[in-house]
Amino acid sequence: AQSVTQLGSHVSVSEGALVLLRCNYSSSVPPYLFWYVQYPNQGLQLLLKYTTGATLVKGINGFEAEFKKSETSFHLTKPSAHMSDAAEYFCAAGSGGSNYKLTFGKGTLLTVNP
Amino acid sequence: DGGITQSPKYLFRKEGQNVTLSCEQNLNHDAMYWYRQDPGQGLRLIYYSQIVNDFQKGDIAEGYSVSREKKESFPLTVTSAQKNPTAFYLCASSIWARELNGYTFGSGTRLTVV
Repeated sequence: AQSVTQLGSHVSVSEGALVLLRCNYSSSVPPYLFWYVQYPNQGLQLLLKYTTGATLVKGINGFEAEFKKSETSFHLTKPSAHMSDAAEYFCAAGSGGSNYKLTFGKGTLLTVNP
Repeated sequence: DGGITQSPKYLFRKEGQNVTLSCEQNLNHDAMYWYRQDPGQGLRLIYYSQIVNDFQKGDIAEGYSVSREKKESFPLTVTSAQKNPTAFYLCASSIWARELNGYTFGSGTRLTVV
């Protein structure tokens, strides 16, 4: 079974600083990987996804993530944080095929300080 | 525009009462899901359905029931058997394809049982 671990339930950065949110997965098969963002009292919005191909994936709002198979990681980064980036971020993994289910990490709350 | 509609956004019920949360999608997606979200616990899968008239239990199905009579609709009933029903409930859907495309989420229903 898939499992997804997000290191750090809360990350705090200054505006303009690098954002790094960590995600590790466990999978016996090549995974499909996703990052979602959630603003308070809203649903989750897809930031980016890795399925096959290029290991560096660019998403919306200037975020990107790199798939590293050797490290079973899919960390999310953004070079310069904005106040509007403050939200909760979820990493998710799935194995595709006939299995529609994604496994989600517990989430990382990002705080951006002025 | 296509999307997922969850209603109502806020719901208050007395303890011991059953309550049904609505989820409708016009994306023509095959699969639909219900998640429960509690602070610090991420998303936990309650039920999912890959096709009309079929559904499977997720990780925390006890005290919940669902139906999938139409492709567009996947209502969730929180029964009186659910010991701690106060939570934020999220509905999602996905399309089946050779690649796993991730989920589209509704905006959620916050249920408070008093």
